[in-house]
Amino acid sequence: GAGVSQSPSNKVTEKGKDVELRCDPISGHTALYWYRQSLGQGLEFLIYFQGNSAPDKSGLPSDRFSAERTGGSVSTLTIQRTQQEDSAVYLCASSPGGRAETQYFGPGTRLLVL
Amino acid sequence: GEDVEQSLFLSVREGDSSVINCTYTDSSSTYLYWYKQEPGAGLQLLTYIFSNMDMKQDQRLTVLLNKKDKHLSLRIADTQTGDSAIYFCAESFSGGSNYKLTFGKGTLLTVNP
Repeated sequence: GAGVSQSPSNKVTEKGKDVELRCDPISGHTALYWYRQSLGQGLEFLIYFQGNSAPDKSGLPSDRFSAERTGGSVSTLTIQRTQQEDSAVYLCASSPGGRAETQYFGPGTRLLVL
Repeated sequence: GEDVEQSLFLSVREGDSSVINCTYTDSSSTYLYWYKQEPGAGLQLLTYIFSNMDMKQDQRLTVLLNKKDKHLSLRIADTQTGDSAIYFCAESFSGGSNYKLTFGKGTLLTVNP
């Protein structure tokens, strides 16, 4: 079946602009995760959604970052007033339940802030 | 605190075995994982081991866990050029946050023909 898909694959933006990154999880997966992969910090957890529960936003680096998940499926990660340090690969994953050992990752969105 | 350490580079010849090492600091880890990332691709889960196990074998992959030393290794037998990639060690914890993965910075494996 189809895996986790993310769009766009690449995004170049100017400092100060807002960007939206989209994730389509595997159908039927109730849990969705966002991670950030950057040269300096490696892979960092950002946010976790599980069903109708309140999301775990503990990994979001600043209040410029937000995410939502509509209808328990598609998720959008929004970065407002982008900064150069936001340049990274943003990875989305989904799993059938909220257990780390069953996470399937998408190919990522490569964000470059000029 | 949570910390996972890996060496950054490993270079081997095709056909040799590769051993990628990882150390972690948090003894409350529940599962330990190995992920593979090929250029331009997302993360692929290779294997994982529950923290009460010492070893897990899956075809060419062998995972060894030394819980006393908090050391995890991934051995790839008969390494092929297609194994060239970045390998990430990761851990998750028991309790309410067992969905979170904490990753090492990755080991770049280069397989030379």
